[in-house]
Amino acid sequence: QVQLVQSGAEVRKPGASVKVSCKASGYTFTSFGISWVRQAPGQGLEWMGWISAYNSNTQFAQRFQGRITLTTDTSTTTAYMDLRNLRSDDTAVYYCARHFGSGYEFDPWGQGTLVTVSS
Amino acid sequence: QSVLTQPPSASGTPGQRVTLSCSGSDSNIGSNYVYWYQQLPGTAPKLLIFRNNQRPSGVPDRFSGSTSGTSASLAISGLRSEDEADYYCLTWDDSLSGTWVFGGGTKLTVL
Repeated sequence: QVQLVQSGAEVRKPGASVKVSCKASGYTFTSFGISWVRQAPGQGLEWMGWISAYNSNTQFAQRFQGRITLTTDTSTTTAYMDLRNLRSDDTAVYYCARHFGSGYEFDPWGQGTLVTVSS
Repeated sequence: QSVLTQPPSASGTPGQRVTLSCSGSDSNIGSNYVYWYQQLPGTAPKLLIFRNNQRPSGVPDRFSGSTSGTSASLAISGLRSEDEADYYCLTWDDSLSGTWVFGGGTKLTVL
């Protein structure tokens, strides 16, 4: 079955960076993209960006431009989200989701990775 | 504050039909597909409806989606206790170079 398994919880200090991984299985990795979505404690969902696993094209939400890098490793069918210059309000659960692209659904989702930013 | 407006809470009794709303604009719901997700406490969101009104396999036909103009709705009939969750709408917004936008979510309580 299609499955996305994310890396474990992380704790970072303000100003640091974090890299979250998302291991895909059960489908042809390069036929889809991966979107990243985050959810601050007690808050709603926020789309961060998307990467094509076929050609590494990316699309980002404006508020993360310049602070986020999305990559994929087709040899290990893993996607990565790198967020830099962390602030306390970046504390959130970060999700990856399989996403073909515009006009298509985000499905399924990874289990989520809690990133805590605290001094 | 999201560009898609959902009421923060809704409630119903077992067996009842409830409808959750998601209000947007011409640049999002008015011109793009809407998706609905269910999020149970402590879990990742689960796809309920795609492309306005399509149900993935495995999603009960108690769940149905519809759109009209710049608004979308998720109807849940035969309400069950396990339907108590947060529900989010999602669509693409053509403004500001384009972005995916979620509604703020509706917390559904089964009384």
